[in-house]
Amino acid sequence: QKEVEQNSGPLSVPEGAIASLNCTYSDRGSQSFFWYRQYSGKSPELIMFIYSNGDKEDGRFTAQLNKASQYVSLLIRDSQPSDSATYLCAVRSSSGGYQKVTFGTGTKLQVIP
Amino acid sequence: NAGVTQTPKFRILKIGQSMTLQCTQDMNHNYMYWYRQDPGMGLKLIYYSVGAGITDKGEVPNGYNVSRSTTEDFPLRLELAAPSQTSVYFCASSQQGTDTQYFGPGTRLTVL
Repeated sequence: QKEVEQNSGPLSVPEGAIASLNCTYSDRGSQSFFWYRQYSGKSPELIMFIYSNGDKEDGRFTAQLNKASQYVSLLIRDSQPSDSATYLCAVRSSSGGYQKVTFGTGTKLQVIP
Repeated sequence: NAGVTQTPKFRILKIGQSMTLQCTQDMNHNYMYWYRQDPGMGLKLIYYSVGAGITDKGEVPNGYNVSRSTTEDFPLRLELAAPSQTSVYFCASSQQGTDTQYFGPGTRLTVL
């Protein structure tokens, strides 16, 4: 079982719709959860992090964490073509300290105008 | 602030050649990291450093070496390049006690 799993996509949504990106992780003791956005040919950029169960909102982005189900998601409301990118889920494990952050393979999002 | 800078942007190596990928950050961050990203794959940690003079292996350290003589610089050395090292290499940094990693623009390396 992969430590951090994501559907590779592509996930296609029409402009203005809600995009829902999902991620599961295997280490039940994981403490910190991140969503990075990566445009094609560019470096990853942190857009959200969440530590506690529940929802965390920042503008059009909402991160959701369910530790019991070992599941973290990212919702993008009012999706725009500029949101088209690959979204990487990352998890910091309980045993590795700040240096042990495991990345998923990413979900490619396409927002259709 | 320039943030995290990496040189070169692109490089083609022949099998068996060596090279150093440069990484510099101007944010006075303690933690620095080297990742590689293969097509369609996530980021894999190669080496990391928690401060000048302190380095340790990540998930995929074989074939690489690092040093950290200053807070700002964290070069990655490939001694005997192999085709399996063809990848995009990202350097990142973070402040101790925080989870936010700032990434450099990457180096695209091809080994033929």
